[in-house]
Amino acid sequence: GIQVEQSPPDLILQEGANSTLRCNFSDSVNNLQWFHQNPWGQLINLFYIPSGTKQNGRLSATTVATERYSLLYISSSQTTDSGVYFCAVGAGTALIFGKGTTLSVSS
Amino acid sequence: GEEVAQTPKHLVRGEGQKAKLYCAPIKGHSYVFWYQQVLKNEFKFLISFQNENVFDETGMPKERFSAKCLPNSPCSLEIQATKLEDSAVYFCASGDMNTEAFFGQGTRLTVV
Repeated sequence: GIQVEQSPPDLILQEGANSTLRCNFSDSVNNLQWFHQNPWGQLINLFYIPSGTKQNGRLSATTVATERYSLLYISSSQTTDSGVYFCAVGAGTALIFGKGTTLSVSS
Repeated sequence: GEEVAQTPKHLVRGEGQKAKLYCAPIKGHSYVFWYQQVLKNEFKFLISFQNENVFDETGMPKERFSAKCLPNSPCSLEIQATKLEDSAVYFCASGDMNTEAFFGQGTRLTVV
């Protein structure tokens, strides 16, 4: 099956800093999503981005499908950005999740 | 509905008891997916449905787990004779294959 690797596993930031999270996958996919799991356990959809670039406020994402990776950019981080960020991919199957990046933003 | 609704939010069962979890997908979505999150950062796929039909059950433990999606009823995931290791958060998602999937808030199952 498809392997999904996320890096870094953990990230500690001061409020206001920028960060880049990476997701590598081992095979062609036609579905890629980024999620934020907040400290209460809720999974929030950030981007549906099997290819190309999207932006939503302070967050943006880029997927280069031919090179099998996706990047999530967080600018001007806030304490409410804390939680776990998951990349999940699919190819005619259910989504396969990476192990996430745990982000802690302190004030 | 406009969101995936999972009930109950929390469920506590003694070892050996049955647990039943429910999921109402977003109207118009033809696929339902169940996942188990045991350790905080690991999602395990269990089973998917295309409408009422099992689409992929490769992740389902065969012995004690079963699931259904019947017309005009919430989908359900049932665990017979629960074990301590079944303690986890169970997420349901709906969508269409290869389009955006939306997740419910999860059911936290604690087996004591």
